[in-house]
Amino acid sequence: KAGVTQTPRYLIKTRGQQVTLSCSPISGHRSVSWYQQTPGQGLQFLFEYFSETQRNKGNFPGRFSGRQFSNSRSEMNVSTLELGDSALYLCASSSLAGGPETQYFGPGTRLLVL
Amino acid sequence: AQTVTQSQPEMSVQEAETVTLSCTYDTSESDYYLFWYKQPPSRQMILVIRQEAYKQQNATENRFSVNFQKAAKSFSLKISDSQLGDAAMYFCAYRTGNQFYFGTGTSLTVIP
Repeated sequence: KAGVTQTPRYLIKTRGQQVTLSCSPISGHRSVSWYQQTPGQGLQFLFEYFSETQRNKGNFPGRFSGRQFSNSRSEMNVSTLELGDSALYLCASSSLAGGPETQYFGPGTRLLVL
Repeated sequence: AQTVTQSQPEMSVQEAETVTLSCTYDTSESDYYLFWYKQPPSRQMILVIRQEAYKQQNATENRFSVNFQKAAKSFSLKISDSQLGDAAMYFCAYRTGNQFYFGTGTSLTVIP
C-alpha cells in the first residue's frame, strides 16, 4: 500500500497570508490527524477527522481549521499566518479513530512564514 | 491536564549496547494507550512499540521493549543490541479517547 502523502513538502509564505496543506491517507484509512512540530514545543495535536467529521481538536486558535473529504483526503488551512506558525506539519492516518490504532505518519509539510 | 515528559533531551549509546529512554506521563484516566515513535533525521515518523494500559505484561518488539509501571506513570523504552540505524529522535506518546499527547523527544546517537 502507498503510504501517507502530504503536499506540498515545502512552503514559504509571508505574514498575513493563508495556506492550505493537503494529506492523502493510506488507502482504507478513515481517520486523519494533524500535528504541528516545532523545536520548542515538540509535537502538538491539532485535530482529528474521521468519516468527514472532526472528532477532536487541540488547543490551537481558530485560524487553524481543517476538513475531510468523502475519499478521506484531508486539508488543513491556516489563515492570517504569523511568524510562529513556521513549523513542520505532520499528517497521520489510521483505520479507526481513538484506541490503540497505529497512526502512520506522512513526511510532513515544512512551512516557513516570513 | 495530561502531559508527557521525556527528561532526557539527548542520549548516546555504543553500538551493540543497551540504552533506556525515560518517559513519564500524568493522567487521571484509567483507560489509555502508550506509544514510542521514532523519527530518523529527515525521515518519516514510525511506530516502534505500543502498550495498552490495561495490560500488565510489558510489550516487546524484537530489540525494543518497554518497562510499563502504571502506578508510577512511567513508560521507558529499552533498546537492546543498539544499531546505527537506531539513531533518531524518539517520542513517547499517550492517547486517551481522541486526544494524543507527545513528549518533547529524546535524540539518540549511536556511536560506532
